[in-house]
Amino acid sequence: GNSVTQMEGPVTLSEEAFLTINCTYTATGYPSLFWYVQYPGEGLQLLLKATKADDKGSNKGFEATYRKETTSFHLEKGSVQVSDSAVYFCALKGTSGSRLTFGEGTQLTVNP
Amino acid sequence: GAGVSQSPSNKVTEKGKDVELRCDPISGHTALYWYRQSLGQGLEFLIYFQGNSAPDKSGLPSDRFSAERTGGSVSTLTIQRTQQEDSAVYLCASSPSTDGDTGELFFGEGSRLTVL
Repeated sequence: GNSVTQMEGPVTLSEEAFLTINCTYTATGYPSLFWYVQYPGEGLQLLLKATKADDKGSNKGFEATYRKETTSFHLEKGSVQVSDSAVYFCALKGTSGSRLTFGEGTQLTVNP
Repeated sequence: GAGVSQSPSNKVTEKGKDVELRCDPISGHTALYWYRQSLGQGLEFLIYFQGNSAPDKSGLPSDRFSAERTGGSVSTLTIQRTQQEDSAVYLCASSPSTDGDTGELFFGEGSRLTVL
């Protein structure tokens, strides 16, 4: 079946540091890939997505590239802010069915 | 309302009691999902509704769990004879897509269930 593996957290960075959160997946065919973010006290919300190989999703300074050859979708941001502190979830949607399969989430804390 | 609304936000119950969790999706959204998030775990899929029917209920962990959706809108997740391992945050999400293919789900803030 489909699965998503995220790097273990929590991750603590200083403001303006570079961020990478690793995500790898297992799925047949060409799934769609997503990053969701959960800010404190809020529901999960879509951050970015990519639907085919070599696509790059981007939003709010975050980027992730769909790498079919390494089955990865790592999240990056060049300069994090305190307001980026949240839990980040990598997810995939397989080629059949409508459910999303999520990773375990990575807690990010950015200190001023 | 503007977003997905879930109630109660917190529920504490005794082992063996039944609980009902409610989800009010965004108006017009045809797809509705229930997920469960246990401490230190990712989101575990429970069930998916398209309109009032549930084409995928494969994630329900046991026959103590059931869900329904009426009028293509509100959904209720019922857990009978609760056990301590049912303690988790139950998340509801909706999507405007008729086939869920966009993958963009709109989540509520969840219902935190604690079984003593």
